[in-house]
Amino acid sequence: EAGVAQSPRYKIIEKRQSVAFWCNPISGHATLYWYQQILGQGPKLLIQFQNNGVVDDSQLPKDRFSAERLKGVDSTLKIQPAKLEDSAVYLCASSLVVDLRRDGYTFGSGTRLTVV
Amino acid sequence: AQKVTQAQTEISVVEKEDVTLDCVYETRDTTYYLFWYKQPPSGELVFLIRRNSFDEQNEISGRYSWNFQKSTSSFNFTITASQVVDSAVYFCALSEATGNQFYFGTGTSLTVIP
Repeated sequence: EAGVAQSPRYKIIEKRQSVAFWCNPISGHATLYWYQQILGQGPKLLIQFQNNGVVDDSQLPKDRFSAERLKGVDSTLKIQPAKLEDSAVYLCASSLVVDLRRDGYTFGSGTRLTVV
Repeated sequence: AQKVTQAQTEISVVEKEDVTLDCVYETRDTTYYLFWYKQPPSGELVFLIRRNSFDEQNEISGRYSWNFQKSTSSFNFTITASQVVDSAVYFCALSEATGNQFYFGTGTSLTVIP
């Protein structure tokens, strides 16, 4: 089974620039998550999709972050404009079931963003 | 309020030594779920184990074992006879019955020295 694919693997941008990350979940996984992992911290949920609908985006900084999952498969996370504190690894994860308490997620390898 | 605390930031052991990673959690829910994940240098988070709050039975899987104690709100993880491939950051996480996100600890970086 192919895992969760993310690209790019690394990205360096200047502050105030825009950036986009892409995620392709495991085939058939209806639920998709974006997490932000700042260096030295555990991942923090940004947004959760069920198919192409948003389940939870309460911790997404909506003034600069946006995410979409138009066809219920791939997803894109965008930051515009980026700030220095956005430097982090952005992890995408997917799960077969909505209730992730039954099983853990499957995570991608992440995109490491550096804002200079 | 901090939900999951991993007090050990970094641990180094020599290969074949046993090592225990500590995890203390906080929740008001009576039903909750605890997880351990491994994050190798490649970056992906690998699911290791899930326990629910009603099952305090300790579990052993190969060289891995987990000790869940509700009385002390702890869910500790032991690696027996450590190997270099065990070097990674290990995260403990909590999911409550109410709400649907994970609360991750800050992770423990384990280095196994050959």
